[in-house]
Amino acid sequence: ETGVTQTPRHLVMGMTNKKSLKCEQHLGHNAMYWYKQSAKKPLELMFVYNFKEQTENNSVPSRFSPECPNSSHLFLHLHTLQPEDSALYLCASSNGLAGGGGDEQYFGPGTRLTVT
Amino acid sequence: KNQVEQSPQSLIILEGKNCTLQCNYTVSPFSNLRWYKQDTGRGPVSLTIMTFSENTKSNGRYTATLDADTKQSSLHITASQLSDSASYICVVTSSKNTDKLIFGTGTRLQVFP
Repeated sequence: ETGVTQTPRHLVMGMTNKKSLKCEQHLGHNAMYWYKQSAKKPLELMFVYNFKEQTENNSVPSRFSPECPNSSHLFLHLHTLQPEDSALYLCASSNGLAGGGGDEQYFGPGTRLTVT
Repeated sequence: KNQVEQSPQSLIILEGKNCTLQCNYTVSPFSNLRWYKQDTGRGPVSLTIMTFSENTKSNGRYTATLDADTKQSSLHITASQLSDSASYICVVTSSKNTDKLIFGTGTRLQVFP
């Protein structure tokens, strides 16, 4: 286990539903990330939070709404999604902003989302 | 444009055999390169990290190499086991933009008995 948990692990939702993904890290990190992983595509960074403040929004559609109430919890609120939003959504945390040779990102197991 | 390309896309080998996965990148200026292992239904887990000055790093049966001049890296797996079946993702960070990881599409490895 990496110390990052995600719930639910699987989610099927209709295009008119509203649902939320939850991520929790038990590592004492201050940065948290949401990624989208689609088949045969590289991981796509969606959002970055550092000390609860959003520092990156990678041109994500507004039907995805993140929330970071504290450094240990991260949510992704979903509404009026499209079938092409079906993917694996991964949460990660680190000790700071990624890179620099030291700030390893630890990933959760992901939520497999299917939009029907 | 900063990119990371991996080959092959998929690979099938028999248990006990060795294999080598390739990663080419165009990221500049370079900061570090990581190899991640992602089991089916799981998140990626880091295997190795290398900076500019390192050209080899091992983690058990996994050995990563880095040639910063040609911007190439490889991951060599020795004496493969069934549990090595996974996707292996090459990830590069630029020192110009250290808050973003640049991911390859991964190599899907299947090890059969």
